[in-house]
Amino acid sequence: DTEVTQTPKHLVMGMTNKKSLKCEQHMGHRAMYWYKQKAKKPPELMFVYSYEKLSINESVPSRFSPECPNSSLLNLHLHALQPEDSALYLCASRPGHRMNTEAFFGQGTRLTVV
Amino acid sequence: QQQVKQSPQSLIVQKGGISIINCAYENTAFDYFPWYQQFPGKGPALLIAIRPDVSEKKEGRFTISFNKSAKQFSLHIMDSQPGDSATYFCAARPGGGSNYKLTFGKGTLLTVNP
Repeated sequence: DTEVTQTPKHLVMGMTNKKSLKCEQHMGHRAMYWYKQKAKKPPELMFVYSYEKLSINESVPSRFSPECPNSSLLNLHLHALQPEDSALYLCASRPGHRMNTEAFFGQGTRLTVV
Repeated sequence: QQQVKQSPQSLIVQKGGISIINCAYENTAFDYFPWYQQFPGKGPALLIAIRPDVSEKKEGRFTISFNKSAKQFSLHIMDSQPGDSATYFCAARPGGGSNYKLTFGKGTLLTVNP
């Protein structure tokens, strides 16, 4: 299994809703990432988890709350989002945060905030 | 401050032609340079990567050329095919991995006409 699986693929939510994005990998990778990508822009790093601990938060607003329940799962909890938060949210994983290897990206969740 | 400058923003090539995308960086701490290919609605996929101790790396029709003194690197796609039509991102990151953060270029939208 060499995939990073993200669910759902598409999500439409209102500004008062609470929703969660899910990311799963079974490659034994111990570093997992959330990126945000706006149309025609490169991905922007949001969070890094290394061995299930949050190691980098790129000054992301608190309406985005990451969670790493175990080494295979990464969640992104969403609450009180704004329309400008609409974007493709990408999850990625690597064998280890300190290892010299590249990241595998999931297919992303296309989020629309209405 | 954009640390990785990518050009051109868009590129149109005829089938069978050579596609060339260029990137330049400023941070001399960068020591790993991957290229990602992204199709619409999909996550980025690692295409090829190079380290600065190598001047060229070839994988099939894809070649990275690296000029350490000029702090430039480029992607060449030989015999370009319509299926290569995608957005290409160059990226760079520092070595050591203690603070893994990919810095992406702004992307190049490649269109290969049949």
